[in-house]
Amino acid sequence: DTGVSQDPRHKITKRGQNVTFRCDPISEHNRLYWYRQTLGQGPEFLTYFQNEAQLEKSRLLSDRFSAERPKGSFSTLEIQRTEQGDSAMYLCASSTSGRAGTDTQYFGPGTRLTVL
Amino acid sequence: AQSVTQLGSHVSVSEGALVLLRCNYSSSVPPYLFWYVQYPNKGLQLLLKYTSAATLVKGINGFEAEFKKSETSFHLTKPSAHMSDAAEYFCAVSDTTSGTYKYIFGTGTRLKVLA
Repeated sequence: DTGVSQDPRHKITKRGQNVTFRCDPISEHNRLYWYRQTLGQGPEFLTYFQNEAQLEKSRLLSDRFSAERPKGSFSTLEIQRTEQGDSAMYLCASSTSGRAGTDTQYFGPGTRLTVL
Repeated sequence: AQSVTQLGSHVSVSEGALVLLRCNYSSSVPPYLFWYVQYPNKGLQLLLKYTSAATLVKGINGFEAEFKKSETSFHLTKPSAHMSDAAEYFCAVSDTTSGTYKYIFGTGTRLKVLA
């Protein structure tokens, strides 16, 4: 069990640029979540995948955001035309499909995005 | 809708003193509740979880929490604080109404341990 990994750990970009983040979940986990955490706040849900299917997107996920999970393995989160308000920590988590709602989500170290 | 509220964004305790971090939940269905710890620039690590078995849940690093339905609470405690406990703590409820079981987090409590 190597845990959830995320790449890059830090990203600094200029407003208007596109950025892409990658998440590698724990290998046998079929559930994958993306969250966003801003300073002084708890993580907020962005989107959820079960295997390769994206089953829920938060209203926080504007049309500038897109996420994929091809083949149900790693996932990418892309932000187009970044804005300063996108500056945050982006967290990825994965879990198995055990008893509904009781599964532990395992979090990656996060990608900290700074938009200048 | 399910939610959690953490009272006290900052808590300071002396080393060796009792740690009490408060979490109250709101849920129309039996909740599944979690406590996570976050160290600076790190991801979240599970401390413990309540999944409707025993109401007193023991976790890692000497932490425990008690589920009290009558008070809609799930407070986190540790008998004796250690310097290494300084971190941010998040309470979360699993959203069992949407089918995705995403977590809904509180705003967090930053614990400071004084020497």
